[in-house]
Order: sequence, then C-alpha cells, then structure tokens
Amino acid sequence: AQTVTQSQPEMSVQEAETVTLSCTYDTSESDYYLFWYKQPPSRQMILVIRQEAYKQQNATENRFSVNFQKAAKSFSLKISDSQLGDAAMYFCASRNTGKLIFGQGTTLQVKP
Amino acid sequence: GAVVSQHPSWVICKSGTSVKIECRSLDFQATTMFWYRQFPKQSLMLMATSNEGSKATYEQGVEKDKFLINHASLTLSTLTVTSAHPEDSSFYICSASVADQTYEQYFGPGTRLTVT
Repeated sequence: AQTVTQSQPEMSVQEAETVTLSCTYDTSESDYYLFWYKQPPSRQMILVIRQEAYKQQNATENRFSVNFQKAAKSFSLKISDSQLGDAAMYFCASRNTGKLIFGQGTTLQVKP
Repeated sequence: GAVVSQHPSWVICKSGTSVKIECRSLDFQATTMFWYRQFPKQSLMLMATSNEGSKATYEQGVEKDKFLINHASLTLSTLTVTSAHPEDSSFYICSASVADQTYEQYFGPGTRLTVT
C-alpha cells in the first residue's frame, strides 16, 4: 500500500528566508508521480510542483524546488525567498494507478 | 483552463435529510472524478473514484449507501449524502482528471457541509 508521511505538523519561516518541508513515501510501483499541493485558508487546493519518478532531475518552479531522493523515498520541498502569501497548509502526495495519496500536511507560518 | 466548480460552496441541512453536491469540469471533459473528505486541519481522505458511465469505486470504510456518487456525463459528478447526521459535517472536495493527462488532478473549491 502507498503511504505518504509528513513528520512536521507545523513550520515557521521568516519572510525572505528559506524553508524546507519534509516528506517520505512508500510505494511498490516503479512508475509514479509526486506532488506538493498548497491549501491556503480559502481551502482551494493549488498544485505547487510535480515530479515524475523516472526523472532524476529535481523539479523547480520559480521559488519552489524539490529534493527528490528516490532510493531513500524522500521528497522535500524548498521554498526560497518566502513570502507572506506562502502561508498555508502544504500537502505532499504520491500518485499511481490514478489515485492521489496525501500526507498529513504541514502548516507553514511566514513571519513578517 | 482546467477549471472545476462545486455547488453549493456551503450547505446546512437538518439531520436525517439528504443533500446533493455537484462537481463540474467547466472547460474540459473529465474521464475520472474523485471525491475527498477533509476534517479541519487534517489531510484529504479519498472517498471514491468515479468514471463516466460506470459505478463508483469506494475506498475501504466508506459507506456506499450513504455516499451516493453519480458520474452521468464527462463534465458532471454528484455526491449525495443520504440521511445526513452531524458526524457527516465536513469539507468535501472533488477533483477531475483527463484520460491523456494521467498525472494531473484539477481540484474544485470544496463544499462545506454542516448537519444540524
């Protein structure tokens, strides 16, 4: 069975600083996708970044980047130059056979 | 593009009544739709997967007779909570995917259900 674990319930970062959110996963599949989603107070799920498991290169989207360690089954999200609008709940998720399995979530607080 | 809407955004109903939540893909055809449930400050829990024209596949522990899912067209799926009780109060989120984009799910804005 797929599992996704986020061990940091809450994180805090100073505005303009960098923060890393951790995620580990477990899957028996060889072909899968990993995602980070942001859920702001509006509760609309927003895709932050996506990583295909077969790609060795870490995905990057502007200030957001991942550190994908396939052998260790680790998929962390780095947010650079944190902004007040980054404050939200962040979910790590894995997908194969069509289903998304979410981690427990990490609430990120950004301090001005 | 790839917009998913949900209606209503918030509904209050009395215990014992049924309530229907709609999920629509506005600018694409969704071959598969997913329904999630989320309690405050918790993660999304997949309830069921529905493919257009087929019966929904429910996750273990989800009552099929209580949460009726219909995916009658490529742009509409509905979730009906039957004989609702206060413990069914939650935030319900749908998402949709397209057959040729198997890695992507597009999420609706969610529906808050309060059962009194």
